[in-house]
Amino acid sequence: DAGVTQSPTHLIKTRGQQVTLRCSPISGHKSVSWYQQVLGQGPQFIFQYYEKEERGRGNFPDRFSARQFPNYSSELNVNALLLGDSALYLCASSLPGLDGRTLHFGNGTRLTVT
Amino acid sequence: KQEVTQIPAALSVPEGENLVLNCSFTDSAIYNLQWFRQDPGKGLTSLLLIQSSQREQTSGRLNASLDKSSGRSTLYIAASQPGDSATYLCAASGTYKYIFGTGTRLKVLA
Repeated sequence: DAGVTQSPTHLIKTRGQQVTLRCSPISGHKSVSWYQQVLGQGPQFIFQYYEKEERGRGNFPDRFSARQFPNYSSELNVNALLLGDSALYLCASSLPGLDGRTLHFGNGTRLTVT
Repeated sequence: KQEVTQIPAALSVPEGENLVLNCSFTDSAIYNLQWFRQDPGKGLTSLLLIQSSQREQTSGRLNASLDKSSGRSTLYIAASQPGDSATYLCAASGTYKYIFGTGTRLKVLA
């Protein structure tokens, strides 16, 4: 079975531009989460989606948005990019609920903002 | 607000040594405690998940324990190998998200 897949793997953008990152969860997983990992730090929670609805949002500005599609894939959009948005963006999927549910991560999208 | 701390930040050991990585969290009201491994530039690989009602989990040479009352978890690695070199992250789950520590960077010397 395929794991969590993310695209693209690497991306270089200029300040002020917009970016869309994509994620396909493991088959059968309806919950998708997004995390941002700055170099040398642990991942920081951005969003969780379940059944196409936002179930949780981290402490990120409104420039960050996401959505989940009927096939449970997800997109993360970031507008008006800042240098500080440079990071590894990780998508994770799981079965519904967090109690006893393993979080499975993709390999991430490395975003560089110049 | 949940905070997760990992000590030490970095660790270098000779091959074959047994070692313990530490994780502490401030809010004991967690659903799970999960340990991950991250290789440079890669995503996270789940190693062990301990549910809030459990005390420990084992997988091969890895053993993770959880003490909710003291807000601590440990990851024990037996007979370390150079292939174990990576960053190890622990994460405590709330209702819909995990809070991660900053990780322990492990290097096992051949």
